Amino acid sequence: NAGVTQTPKFRILKIGQSMTLQCAQDMNHNYMYWYRQDPGMGLKLIYYSVGAGITDKGEVPNGYNVSRSTTEDFPLRLELAAPSQTSVYFCASKGDPNTGELFFGEGSRLTVL
Amino acid sequence: AQSVTQLGSHVSVSEGALVLLRCNYSSSVPPYLFWYVQYPNQGLQLLLKYTSAATLVKGINGFEAEFKKSETSFHLTKPSAHMSDAAEYFCAVTVPSGNNRLAFGKGNQVVVIP
Repeated sequence: NAGVTQTPKFRILKIGQSMTLQCAQDMNHNYMYWYRQDPGMGLKLIYYSVGAGITDKGEVPNGYNVSRSTTEDFPLRLELAAPSQTSVYFCASKGDPNTGELFFGEGSRLTVL
Repeated sequence: AQSVTQLGSHVSVSEGALVLLRCNYSSSVPPYLFWYVQYPNQGLQLLLKYTSAATLVKGINGFEAEFKKSETSFHLTKPSAHMSDAAEYFCAVTVPSGNNRLAFGKGNQVVVIP
């Protein structure tokens, strides 16, 4: 029962470095999402995908990129990391397009110094 | 676009007392509404959801919520708080069309006082 798996759990980056947060789900869900969570701000949608080969921007996409080459994987890339990208990142997936619940990974805590 | 409002970022409740977390939504079409819970250092998990069936929805761990269209509300309650209810709670809304994006409120951090 893996569900949604995120790696790494923790990472420290220097300003200007790049990295990829990995997300994989084993539930054959078409819908996948990346959120960032900042204290007192709830969750903000960065990017989402409705199926392999299809991605779209959410509320806060600047500074990030995604790809969806397979149903299982939805990596999030940070280019030229900035201190404003210090956050906790959550990947989630959904099976039922209308009423299904979101299944979340355990999060990736990123600090940019 | 749809949205939800949760007031009061921190909520303190005594053990055994009523837990009440308020959520008001804004949507131009009938919404689907959710409550999620987040325990420390974990992802979010679904507590309960309203998807246009019964307006009183029961979830896990003794929580329930009532959809009130006239008040555009979906408040979460639990009759008797337990220490294990200490967590952050998020209300979320979506509509049954389009890209199925979920909009989250800012959350309520619940502290249970022994």
